[in-house]
Order: sequence, then structure tokens, then C-alpha cells
Amino acid sequence: IVLTQSPGTLSLSPGERATLSCRAGQMISRSFLAWYQQKPGQPPRLLIYGTFSRATGIPDRFSGGGSSTDFTLTISRLEPEDSALYYCQYFDSSSYTFGQGTKLEIK
Amino acid sequence: EVQLVQSGAEVKKPGESLRISCQTSGYSFTNYWINWVRQMPGKGLEWMGRIDPSESYTNYSPSFHGHVSISTDKSLSTAYLQWSRLQASDTAIYYCARQDWELVDDAFDVWGQGTMITVSS
Repeated sequence: IVLTQSPGTLSLSPGERATLSCRAGQMISRSFLAWYQQKPGQPPRLLIYGTFSRATGIPDRFSGGGSSTDFTLTISRLEPEDSALYYCQYFDSSSYTFGQGTKLEIK
Repeated sequence: EVQLVQSGAEVKKPGESLRISCQTSGYSFTNYWINWVRQMPGKGLEWMGRIDPSESYTNYSPSFHGHVSISTDKSLSTAYLQWSRLQASDTAIYYCARQDWELVDDAFDVWGQGTMITVSS
């Protein structure tokens, strides 16, 4: 499974909405699509699992959606601390794949 | 509190061997797979492989199979990532991460802080 994320970089202002895309090279199960946030010098943090579900402690500004080959991470009401790299990930029962990442910059 | 604490940074020469560790606490070690993820300087995340601590069953990414070895010590609740012959291209940060099949659909809910490996002559 190949995951392609777009755009490579997204530059938005506080208060705006960000939509990050993750496209799979073939149909995948919604059950095993996850999103992570990584800030400089830190390990990744789980945001969304099972396409839609927020991980513990993740604010409701973060939401996931999609099906088949097209998945999205939406961040509403952007805040300066949302500036980070975002990765999608898929599990196909015995191995994992990550997308190449989207860099979100908050102006 | 569930924690994964990794061993410290290493500087090695090409051809040397190395084993780094991921010590877990706060949960039943044998109930959750441990995964290893590489992040080369300025690059994205790459899944390397995983181990089931209960039976030491492993899966590896084809990109890493044969170059690294993943193991555990159940008595220490610790997972390991090992190289027999390092290459300069192994320079990267390596993360261990717990795979939670129960609550988050096999996503990685807890991560170690990362171990920086520098391989240089």
C-alpha cells in the first residue's frame, strides 16, 4: 500500500481551517487509517485512529474522514501550536505504511 | 502511566554492531506488539518492523529485513533493535512505539522519546 499525502506544505493563518489529504494507491479499510502529529524534537503523537476517532486528549478541532482511497484530516480554528508535520498511516494486518507527511505552517 | 523509555544517543563507526533498547512500564508487556520506526535527518517516518513480546513473533518491512533484528526480554519488559554491521545510511532517529489493538485499532498510542544513532568514520 502506498500512501500519498498532499499538499507537501500548507501555510494558513490562525482561525482558518486546514484540510490535509491522504490518498491510498488502492482501496483500504477505514478501520486502520490513523493520523499523527509531530513537532520538532518530539516523537509523533496519535491524533486520529480508525479514520474518524480522536485519540485521548485530542481536541475536537481535529477530525478525520474519508473512505476507499481518499482520507482527510481537518483541523478547524487553527492555533499557533498546530504548526507541525502530519502523517497518515495504514495497517494491513502485518505491516504498516506511512505517508510522506504534510508540513502545516501557521502564519 | 504507560511509558516507553529508550536508551541514549550513540555514535558508531561503519561496520560496528549496536543494540538499542526500549524499556516499557505501566502495562502488561506481553499484551501489546512493539514497533520500531526510523526517521532519517529531515525526512519522514518509516516503519521497520514489530515484535509480539508474548511469543517473540516478528514482522519486518522488506526495506529492513535482514539488516536489523528485533527482540525482547520479557523479564525486563524491554524491546531491542539490533544491527550487526552499521552503515552510514543508518544515521537516523529510531523510535519504538506500542501498537494498541484493543483501544485504538492497532495504531501507535505510546511512543518512546527516540534514540539518535550517528554512524560516521
